[in-house]
Amino acid sequence: IVLTQSPATLSLSPGERATLSCGASQSVSSRYLAWYQQKPGLAPRLLIYDASFRASDIPDRFSGSGSGTHFTLTISRLEPEDFAVYYCHQYGGSPPWTFGQGTKVEIK
Amino acid sequence: QLQLQESGPGRVKPSETMSLTCTVSGGSINSASYYWGWIRQSPGKGPEWIASIYFNGKTYSNPSLQSRVAISTDLSKNKFFLKLRSVTAADTAVYYCARHVVDAYGDPNYFDPWGQGTLVTVSS
Repeated sequence: IVLTQSPATLSLSPGERATLSCGASQSVSSRYLAWYQQKPGLAPRLLIYDASFRASDIPDRFSGSGSGTHFTLTISRLEPEDFAVYYCHQYGGSPPWTFGQGTKVEIK
Repeated sequence: QLQLQESGPGRVKPSETMSLTCTVSGGSINSASYYWGWIRQSPGKGPEWIASIYFNGKTYSNPSLQSRVAISTDLSKNKFFLKLRSVTAADTAVYYCARHVVDAYGDPNYFDPWGQGTLVTVSS
């Protein structure tokens, strides 16, 4: 399954709402989709799993939604530490389990 | 708190075999609740899953790399390993190890947490 993330770059100001999209080339079974945040020089950090469940210690300004072939990560009010690259990852069905190419959220 | 730490050669020559080790602390890899996986990321690209292994030796690997990949564990040392044969410049990437969480059916799902990563450069 190929995951396509849009937009490639999102330029926003702190306090604004961010909406990131992840489209799948085939339906993702059981809503088996995760979102990760990656900051420069660091490993990805799990934010959301099973499309809409927040991982431990993730603030509630992060939320995930979607099913089938379209998924969304929403950051309700951007904090300075939220400017980073975000990746979606599907783990439904048989391998290979795949990642998107990322959306960079940058300060406007 | 579970921590994973990758170690490896840093630089490998084309056509050689790359060997990486992931040392796990703060938890046991001898667990039915998790697989243990390897993921790589080339500069400016999204991550690419390579392979994962269960405590009983069951493995999954990416079909695009399957013919060159071997994944294994040493349960007594709480480590798992990756070997990638016949490397080329296209294998240059940061390699991460991660815990691969399983679902209620025992299938691997998402990765959490990840190690800090180790850069492997393929160059003569």
